[in-house]
Amino acid sequence: DARVTQTPRHKVTEMGQEVTMRCQPILGHNTVFWYRQTMMQGLELLAYFRNRAPLDDSGMPKDRFSAEMPDATLATLKIQPSEPRDSAVYFCASGLVGLGLRNIQYFGAGTRLSVL
Amino acid sequence: AQSVTQPDIHITVSEGASLELRCNYSYGATPYLFWYVQSPGQGLQLLLKYFSGDTLVQGIKGFEAEFKRSQSSFNLRKPSVHWSDAAEYFCAVGAESGGSNYKLTFGKGTLLTVNP
Repeated sequence: DARVTQTPRHKVTEMGQEVTMRCQPILGHNTVFWYRQTMMQGLELLAYFRNRAPLDDSGMPKDRFSAEMPDATLATLKIQPSEPRDSAVYFCASGLVGLGLRNIQYFGAGTRLSVL
Repeated sequence: AQSVTQPDIHITVSEGASLELRCNYSYGATPYLFWYVQSPGQGLQLLLKYFSGDTLVQGIKGFEAEFKRSQSSFNLRKPSVHWSDAAEYFCAVGAESGGSNYKLTFGKGTLLTVNP
């Protein structure tokens, strides 16, 4: 059963520390999305990649957040330095999108981040 | 710009009762529409999707949704709710693939409580 895998599932860190979250998309999918979910803001799109190229990162705070896709099987979201307001659940989703294809996104189980 | 409104933040129903969750969208062209469900501590699972054709779509777990273009709505229904349906439900709208916009825009969600 193909699924999006995210690690770690939970992360507790102190303010100022670097945090790296990883995502393994479903094999064959060409697009990866990063979302952040909080009670106040709901589900927000941070960034997404198609064929490993960043297409849109307008939802991401540029000064501390960075997203990369070093290869087709790994996407990373990094926060440096982390702040308490970054505490949230971060989701990765993958999909097969493009001309003639359906834009269906499949979500991982998320990384719950707590910054103390 | 595309947007989604889920007017009901929280709905409580009794087990065995029927359910309808409302979703209104704003989109300039033909939308792709989705319903996702999120159980506590889990990621979002796709319930059903509408791309074109028959406006009544069937999904998993006995759910269905009806696309009404004149009302810009895509309401989710289930004839008889089970206790295991208690979760948060998200409606989302996306663009047709073929453009450069692969984003999904999500509503704020409706939390469903099921009473025994």
